[in-house]
Amino acid sequence: QVQLQESGPGLVKPSQTLSLTCTISGAFINSNNYYWSWIRQPAGKGLEWIGRIYSSGSTDYNPSLNSRVTISVDTSENQISLKLNSVTAADTAVYYCARSIAMSGKGEFDYWGQGTLVTVSS
Amino acid sequence: DIQMTQSPSSLSASVGDRVTITCRASQGISNYLAWYQQKPGKVPNLLIYAASTLHPGVPSRFSGSGSGTDFTLTISSLQPEDVATYYCQKYNTVPWTFGQGTKVEIK
Repeated sequence: QVQLQESGPGLVKPSQTLSLTCTISGAFINSNNYYWSWIRQPAGKGLEWIGRIYSSGSTDYNPSLNSRVTISVDTSENQISLKLNSVTAADTAVYYCARSIAMSGKGEFDYWGQGTLVTVSS
Repeated sequence: DIQMTQSPSSLSASVGDRVTITCRASQGISNYLAWYQQKPGKVPNLLIYAASTLHPGVPSRFSGSGSGTDFTLTISSLQPEDVATYYCQKYNTVPWTFGQGTKVEIK
């Protein structure tokens, strides 16, 4: 059974860097079969795709966040990480990691983490 | 970037009613579209991918159709457990984007 678990600080100060980790079990990050994405959802609002990473380390980001986002992979720990710098209150949201199959014609998210709430406040 | 627009933003229907939600893409996306259900306080769950393929374990009262720019999610007979917000997602090219959501309630 594939499981994803997000972790990291629940409170970040404005202008600082938000850092989260997603630990994956039941699937190998380096299997070359999957993309691993970060998605966020402000309270009461919709879903926003932040970006994705492949096992090789190649990434794609949402242009709306591109200059502030870094997604990385640690294959030895079977984890992916998210860094979002220069945060403001607008970055307050539940952050999810999710899996999609890396194959032509695929892109739906079949497994999601439980999500972690990050609040940006001084 | 391609924008995804859902309608309506919310709806209220009776148990047993047929419910239809529409998702429109600003450019053609072939059938690279998924639908998700998010119950209050819960994680989104995949319902349909490739516009019309039911994800394993999803009740058969859910169905999807469409191609190109216009897509629909249909619940053939609304049940109390279907109270949720439904999102479409396009994945033909990055950035992957979601519709703004449709909240479904019981009348």
